[in-house]
Parts: sequence; C-alpha cells; structure tokens
Amino acid sequence: QKEVEQDPGPLSVPEGAIVSLNCTYSNSAFQYFMWYRQYSRKGPELLMYTYSSGNKEDGRFTAQVDKSSKYISLFIRDSQPSDSATYLCAMSGWGDMRFGAGTRLTVKP
Amino acid sequence: SQTIHQWPATLVQPVGSPLSLECTVEGTSNPNLYWYRQAAGRGLQLLFYSVGIGQISSEVPQNLSASRPQDRQFILSSKKLLLSDSGFYLCAWSPSAGYGELFFGEGSRLTVL
Repeated sequence: QKEVEQDPGPLSVPEGAIVSLNCTYSNSAFQYFMWYRQYSRKGPELLMYTYSSGNKEDGRFTAQVDKSSKYISLFIRDSQPSDSATYLCAMSGWGDMRFGAGTRLTVKP
Repeated sequence: SQTIHQWPATLVQPVGSPLSLECTVEGTSNPNLYWYRQAAGRGLQLLFYSVGIGQISSEVPQNLSASRPQDRQFILSSKKLLLSDSGFYLCAWSPSAGYGELFFGEGSRLTVL
C-alpha cells in the first residue's frame, strides 16, 4: 500500500460544477495537510494548508481533513476554466513529507 | 515576502555533459531547502534536502549531487548526465524542519539527449 493514494483522474467537469478531489494516507503521524495546484510546466503552488482534522475555507476552495479515516478532500465551488490544472495533495509530520501523484482537472467553458 | 528563484527554466544537454541547476530564496533566513524530481504520473521524488550551509542529506543514491554554499542558495549538479536524468526538477523551501508548508520554484525541465 502506498503511503498516499490520490484519485488519478483525469477529471473533466463543466464550468460552474462543484469539484471534489480526494486523498487517503496510511501514516497516522501526519499532522499537516496541504493541497497544491500545478499548472502545466510550472512549479506547484500552495493552495490550502491545514493542521489536524476539520474544515478550512478560502473563497471557492474548502479543504477537509478527517484524521480518523485518514482521508482528505479539496472542494472547488463554481469551478472556472482557470482552475484547470493538476492538484497534488501533500501531508507531513515528524520530519516526513509525502505527496500524492496528482489529479488532472479540466474545467470546460 | 519570500520568493524563490530557480534557473535555468529549460535545459537540453548531451549524455555525459555536466549539469548545474541553481536555486535562491529571498526574504527569509536559514530556510530548509529541497530538490525534487517530478515524473509524469509518479508524483514528486525528494532528491536532497538541507537544513543549513554545507549540510546536505541525500534521499536517493544517484548520479546527482547537491551543495549549499550560502544560506539561501542551493545547487543541483552532475558531473556526467545520463539519459535517465531527464525530468522536471523543482527546488523548494520551508520555514521549519518539521515539514510544514513547502514553497516551490518554477521548475527546470532537463532533457538529456
């Protein structure tokens, strides 16, 4: 079992749709949870950063962490074509950091 | 605010030639610095990390090396490139050694022919 599993996609949705991106992990020592957005041929950009379980909202983006289930999600409301990118989940703790392989999202106008 | 610069953005090199990718961070002191390689569909692979000048930890034995000659400068090198060294290389920094937030540069795409 991989330490971090991320739905590979690719995911294609119409503009305005709600998008749900998910990751599961196996290491219960992870305490920090992140989502990165990566446009083609660019470096990943930190989108959301949360600590421990719960929800965090930033504009159209909501990050959700369920440590008991070892499951994290990123929700995008009112998706826009500019949201088309690869989304990477990441988690860290005790000097270890792991990334998911990324989900490629396309939002069609 | 902190910024990270990485160059060159694109590089095409023949097999057996040397490599030098450079990364600098501005606006912070004593950052933790990292080199990652990203392969399509395989996520990010940590190559090297550094918690201070001259302190380098290697995660994967390979044809590459890293150096940190100054507090905010991180260099990825190779004496002789292999075809398998082709990829997208990312420099990153974090403010803490506990692997909290990680901030990436724009990346360097290396093609070895």
